[in-house]
Amino acid sequence: EVQLVESGGGLIQPGGSLRLSCAASGFTVSGSHMNWVRQAPGKGLEWVSIIFSGSSTFYADPVKGRFTISRDSSKNSLYLQMNSLRAEDTAVYYCARLSGSYSFGYWGQGTLVTVSS
Amino acid sequence: QTVVTQEPSFSVSPGGTATLTCGLSSGSVSTSYYPSWYQQTPGQAPRTLIYSTNTRSSGVPDRFSGSILGNKAALTITGAQADDESDYYCVLYLGSGIWLFGGGTKLTVL
Repeated sequence: EVQLVESGGGLIQPGGSLRLSCAASGFTVSGSHMNWVRQAPGKGLEWVSIIFSGSSTFYADPVKGRFTISRDSSKNSLYLQMNSLRAEDTAVYYCARLSGSYSFGYWGQGTLVTVSS
Repeated sequence: QTVVTQEPSFSVSPGGTATLTCGLSSGSVSTSYYPSWYQQTPGQAPRTLIYSTNTRSSGVPDRFSGSILGNKAALTITGAQADDESDYYCVLYLGSGIWLFGGGTKLTVL
């Protein structure tokens, strides 16, 4: 059974850094295309970043240059390093596995990041 | 700046049909954008309903269907039920490793 469990969220001051983790089971992260999707409180979903199985990475414009997606095959985990955090980065962050035909087939339950002084 | 458009809200009577749409500010939505649809209830992670325009995800009832209507992607719910009351999101693959979600539609069944 595919499972995704995010962790690492919390309260952080503007300008600070945080690293989110997503532990996967039931499949290999390194053989999959893995994403981060976020949702600000009361708002819609926003795609953040992807790491393809071949290691190419892409980012949404609002996070480009500040966030870095990565993975660790030995831990079967996905990560999101978030630097220079802003209030508008406050959101629940979901990891999601890309399924066939460019859709997000599997989702974790999310971890809340709050950027506030 | 490209924007994916959805109706902010939609109301349907129990047993009725709701057609939610997903448009693109810069042009028409086609199958080449691989539109997919997600259902989300408060406090829960999204659930995949439809992918690749019209393919139902495993376990999704056949009263949910996807299509291209005119220049938009569409999600049609036939025989709407009370527990269909949720937020619905579409997402388009823009190419070059970039996806873009619509703002979501809040569906009310009453």
